[in-house]
Amino acid sequence: AQTVTQSQPEMSVQEAETVTLSCTYDTSESDYYLFWYKQPPSRQMILVIRQEAYKQQNATENRFSVNFQKAAKSFSLKISDSQLGDAAMYFCAYRSALNDMRFGAGTRLTVKP
Amino acid sequence: DTEVTQTPKHLVMGMTNKKSLKCEQHMGHRAMYWYKQKAKKPPELMFVYSYEKLSINESVPSRFSPECPNSSLLNLHLHALQPEDSALYLCASSQLLGLVRETQYFGPGTRLLVL
Repeated sequence: AQTVTQSQPEMSVQEAETVTLSCTYDTSESDYYLFWYKQPPSRQMILVIRQEAYKQQNATENRFSVNFQKAAKSFSLKISDSQLGDAAMYFCAYRSALNDMRFGAGTRLTVKP
Repeated sequence: DTEVTQTPKHLVMGMTNKKSLKCEQHMGHRAMYWYKQKAKKPPELMFVYSYEKLSINESVPSRFSPECPNSSLLNLHLHALQPEDSALYLCASSQLLGLVRETQYFGPGTRLLVL
């Protein structure tokens, strides 16, 4: 079974600084997708970024980028120029081509002004 | 534009009540999902509805009953719930490409409290 591990229950970053959230996963499949979702106190799960496993290029979305290391089964999220609105719970998720999503336990990010 | 709506936002019910949660999407997605999320935990998949077929997480008790009236609506009927069923219930939808269910987009959730 696929598992997703987020080893950092909590992280803190100073406003305008950069922070990296870690995620590792375990799978024997070759075709899969990885996601980072953000869940602020408003509770809505918001898609931050996605990565297809067959793409070697790391995905980027404005201030958010990933470091995808397929051989190491690692998928970290880097947030640059952190803003107060980035404070949230961040979930890493894995989905294979035919199976449904599995989430990591989450990392709570605090942004200090 | 990605939008999944859920009603109600909050629900308080007794253990003998019958209530329903509603989810609607207007993105033309052909797969919809119900998740249960306890505090400080990740979402847990309860049901998937795609290609007019329902897939069930077998650990979900029968007091939860999904219904899909059409491809844009997904209801969750609740009956004889227990206090431990109190949680945030999230609905999501995704496009289908053949057998592949694409990126999921979530609604704002319904916060359920069972007394």
